[in-house]
Amino acid sequence: AQSVTQPDIHITVSEGASLELRCNYSYGATPYLFWYVQSPGQGLQLLLKYFSGDTLVQGIKGFEAEFKRSQSSFNLRKPSVHWSDAAEYFCAVVGDDKIIFGKGTRLHILP
Amino acid sequence: GAGVSQSPSNKVTEKGKDVELRCDPISGHTALYWYRQRLGQGLEFLIYFQGNSAPDKSGLPSDRFSAERTGESVSTLTIQRTQQEDSAVYLCASSLAAGNYGYTFGSGTRLTVV
Repeated sequence: AQSVTQPDIHITVSEGASLELRCNYSYGATPYLFWYVQSPGQGLQLLLKYFSGDTLVQGIKGFEAEFKRSQSSFNLRKPSVHWSDAAEYFCAVVGDDKIIFGKGTRLHILP
Repeated sequence: GAGVSQSPSNKVTEKGKDVELRCDPISGHTALYWYRQRLGQGLEFLIYFQGNSAPDKSGLPSDRFSAERTGESVSTLTIQRTQQEDSAVYLCASSLAAGNYGYTFGSGTRLTVV
């Protein structure tokens, strides 16, 4: 069955520092991949998605992700984080006509 | 409507009672999904509806959980004989159709079983 693994439960970075959140997926064919963000008390918001084509995907809020088939990874990056980026981030993959989510990585920002 | 609407936003219930959670999808969205998010956990898929097709119930955790959808509109998720482990945020999402993964999520219903 399709699944995603987010190995880091919590990540702490300083404001202005770069960020990389890891995601590994399990899927036989070319996967459909997503990153969502959930800010405290708010709903889920789509940051970016990959279906095909260019393996480097640009999203909203300055985020990008790179699909690497050889590593079964879809890591999320941002060159310089802002305090407002503190949130829970979910990697997800399509499986059996629905989106399957990872357990999330909580991002903490140090001032 | 403009977005996915869920009600109530918060629900506190006593253990053993039944609860109904409601989801109003975006008008014209034929696919509707329910997820559960326990504290500190990811989103667990529960059930999804696509038009008049039989729903995919593969994620329902027990027979105490059931859901219905009237045509392509409102859906209700019912939990019978609630248990403390049912405490979670229940999220609903809709999309234009199954196979279209532009989900729009509602704000969720926070269920607390005491």
